[in-house]
Amino acid sequence: DVKVTQSSRYLVKRTGEKVFLECVQDMDHENMFWYRQDPGLGLRLIYFSYDVKMKEKGDIPEGYSVSREKKERFSLILESASTNQTSMYLCASIKLAGVEQFFGPGTRLTVL
Amino acid sequence: GEDVEQSLFLSVREGDSSVINCTYTDSSSTYLYWYKQEPGAGLQLLTYIFSNMDMKQDQRLTVLLNKKDKHLSLRIADTQTGDSAIYFCAENGAGGSYIPTFGRGTSLIVHP
Repeated sequence: DVKVTQSSRYLVKRTGEKVFLECVQDMDHENMFWYRQDPGLGLRLIYFSYDVKMKEKGDIPEGYSVSREKKERFSLILESASTNQTSMYLCASIKLAGVEQFFGPGTRLTVL
Repeated sequence: GEDVEQSLFLSVREGDSSVINCTYTDSSSTYLYWYKQEPGAGLQLLTYIFSNMDMKQDQRLTVLLNKKDKHLSLRIADTQTGDSAIYFCAENGAGGSYIPTFGRGTSLIVHP
């Protein structure tokens, strides 16, 4: 059973904290993605990675960075969390030339 | 740029058919997708259609594609309360890239 897992389902952090969201996939997929999901706005792409140590900005990269040191793991970093980063964060992966993206269950982050 | 549009809400009675509509702008899309998100979960691929097809049927689901009008629809026959979810339309990006563009999602509410 293929799987994308995220380190936390719920997180509460304070403004200014550094926040790490971890994502792991067990399907040997080349491509991994971080999205944020807000009501009425759908999914917005933050960053994606097509290989180890490679990263590309998505539509809303400001305030975020990413790390991909191993193929199976893609981390999203909020350098200094702000209240407007309160959101649901979804990780996804897809194999090279694949059709289907596989999603993790999401991390609901609240920044106070 | 690419854009995918869908209405935000649809309400139906249990047992009726549901039709969720989507329009997109990128005529070079190779695949068009419907993803389903149940409460508190990530997205799961429901079905997809190749851009050279007009229709795809899978049990209670029927996908219709009108390439000329860039219109995609998802029909769910005999809608059940378990079908209540957010449904995302997506197309696989400019020039057939693997990065999908998602609509904002349609919340389907099924009344008993």
